[in-house]
Amino acid sequence: DTGVSQNPRHKITKRGQNVTFRCDPISEHNRLYWYRQTLGQGPEFLTYFQNEAQLEKSRLLSDRFSAERPKGSFSTLEIQRTEQGDSAMYLCASKQGTPGYTFGSGTRLTVV
Amino acid sequence: AQKVTQAQTEISVVEKEDVTLDCVYETRDTTYYLFWYKQPPSGELVFLIRRNSFDEQNEISGRYSWNFQKSTSSFNFTITASQVVDSAVYFCALSEAPGGSEKLVFGKGTKLTVNP
Repeated sequence: DTGVSQNPRHKITKRGQNVTFRCDPISEHNRLYWYRQTLGQGPEFLTYFQNEAQLEKSRLLSDRFSAERPKGSFSTLEIQRTEQGDSAMYLCASKQGTPGYTFGSGTRLTVV
Repeated sequence: AQKVTQAQTEISVVEKEDVTLDCVYETRDTTYYLFWYKQPPSGELVFLIRRNSFDEQNEISGRYSWNFQKSTSSFNFTITASQVVDSAVYFCALSEAPGGSEKLVFGKGTKLTVNP
């Protein structure tokens, strides 16, 4: 078990393009969270899954964002028709039981 | 709504100085957890400590210590004899107790620079 893995580490895309990020959590962790961190700010909650069920979505998650966690394993976060305001670090975390989050190294998205 | 305030945006100290990072939180929950995370330039959030709202005992781990005061809703973090490797952004965070989403609410962070 090597922790939470996120791919890619960096993504540069043109405005209007779609992008997809992947998160592989710690295998036995049933909860998976997505956060977004913009420059100079703390991470902000986007959404979370318990197993394959998406149980909560933040108001930050516009209709252009969609997240999935098929079979309760890895998760993907897709952003459609990217905008410059989507430029941020996207962090994934997983946990099992009482609080004990493990964060990945994040995917840094730059929209040009 | 839950809220975490880290009033210090940036702190700069000289190596071996002690430094305290402040954290004030707001919550209506009676049971909650408080956290400190370190974020080095590589970007990964490194867990430092978790504290249950019912446990106000202060904790020391090596050069790190934490002071939890429920009466003032504060959870301050002190680094004793700071080192250059302590340079990072430090985040205080709050989560509700088990049973809900347990999502983390972060402060804006304090950037600590330790100069040699």
